Amino acid sequence: NAGVMQNPRHLVRRRGQEARLRCSPMKGHSHVYWYRQLPEEGLKFMVYLQKENIIDESGMPKERFSAEFPKEGPSILRIQQVVRGDSAAYFCASSQGLNEKLFFGSGTQLSVL
Amino acid sequence: DQQVKQNSPSLSVQEGRISILNCDYTNSMFDYFLWYKKYPAEGPTFLISISSIKDKNEDGRFTVFLNKSAKHLSLHIVPSQPGDSAVYFCAASDNKSQGNLIFGKGTKLSVKP
Repeated sequence: NAGVMQNPRHLVRRRGQEARLRCSPMKGHSHVYWYRQLPEEGLKFMVYLQKENIIDESGMPKERFSAEFPKEGPSILRIQQVVRGDSAAYFCASSQGLNEKLFFGSGTQLSVL
Repeated sequence: DQQVKQNSPSLSVQEGRISILNCDYTNSMFDYFLWYKKYPAEGPTFLISISSIKDKNEDGRFTVFLNKSAKHLSLHIVPSQPGDSAVYFCAASDNKSQGNLIFGKGTKLSVKP
């Protein structure tokens, strides 16, 4: 399957734990984006990465959140010391180039207890 | 401060009739607009887009109209089918945002057989 793959689909964490969300872009895509969707809201941009580089992280909280897209392997969105307000659906998207159509994964539903 | 607004949270239409989904934006720098369709527990799927140099783009049953002076766009689906029932998100970007799409909150379309 050549689509954007995200795992896990569901992630449950207790307050204070760490959450790691993984995203493998479509084959041939080197641009990865992370979005977050809170209940009853639209998707909110968090960060845009190309291989090994963060291009735009203007939508990502300054503390506890980090993202990477290593030369080998999937992109990782990491949330340290999770709080209840981090509970949301996190979507990853990829594109072949800049200003090209985004293809989204099925998302990771994070629930913080 | 919502830059992309979808004022109708839901819309119900009879099968075979036209569905019209509306979207307003406030940022005059936006030059590219997209519609995404989302089923429950899945990621958004790209539907159709339009550049600000055009006022209409058509793809099969889907047509997007752009009125730049009113900062308004709409998605027409005709004829509507029960499989079109989903949440539709309007999104916008400008050349400088590099993949930072601004999404509306979505409109849930129900097409009744």
